[in-house]
Amino acid sequence: KAGVTQTPRYLIKTRGQQVTLSCSPISGHRSVSWYQQTPGQGLQFLFEYFSETQRNKGNFPGRFSGRQFSNSRSEMNVSTLELGDSALYLCASRYLAGTSGYEQYFGPGTRLTVT
Amino acid sequence: AQTVTQSQPEMSVQEAETVTLSCTYDTSESNYYLFWYKQPPSRQMILVIRQEAYKQQNATENRFSVNFQKAAKSFSLKISDSQLGDTAMYFCARQANNLFFGTGTRLTVIP
Repeated sequence: KAGVTQTPRYLIKTRGQQVTLSCSPISGHRSVSWYQQTPGQGLQFLFEYFSETQRNKGNFPGRFSGRQFSNSRSEMNVSTLELGDSALYLCASRYLAGTSGYEQYFGPGTRLTVT
Repeated sequence: AQTVTQSQPEMSVQEAETVTLSCTYDTSESNYYLFWYKQPPSRQMILVIRQEAYKQQNATENRFSVNFQKAAKSFSLKISDSQLGDTAMYFCARQANNLFFGTGTRLTVIP
């Protein structure tokens, strides 16, 4: 099976702009989660989608939003970008959501730089 | 609290030797899952090993094994016969509804 894919891999934006990142999960996986990785804060959970519904949300401002399509592909949007949004954004997919033991498989990430 | 603690920011090991990475966590749940992920310089997060909390037996995957002490809430990773390709950041994670990660241990394998 093909792994989790993320596009684009690299992105440079300026403050105030908005950005959309895309994630295609492993075939058959219905859950997609998003994580932000920064040197200062480490890996932090943003949100998880399952069957087009947001299941869980981390402690991020409303500028961060997401959605999931019927084919399980997911997009993440950040509006009014701030310098602190510069990070590696990781997408992960798993078969089911919730406290199930299904492990999450990660994509290669999108490196976002805000100038 | 939902914390995962990795107290060793950096470690090094000679090639072919054995190294143990430590992890402790906090949870009020009785059933949960624990993982070790590896992130090499490519930044691709790779699953190394998983452990179900309800299982007494420690998980093993080839050269990788864990020492799971449920009462102590400890979950250490042992890497045997270390190889240069094991050089990476290693993250311990606990899965409730989502993954809570530790801060990571940077492991360097020295030739």
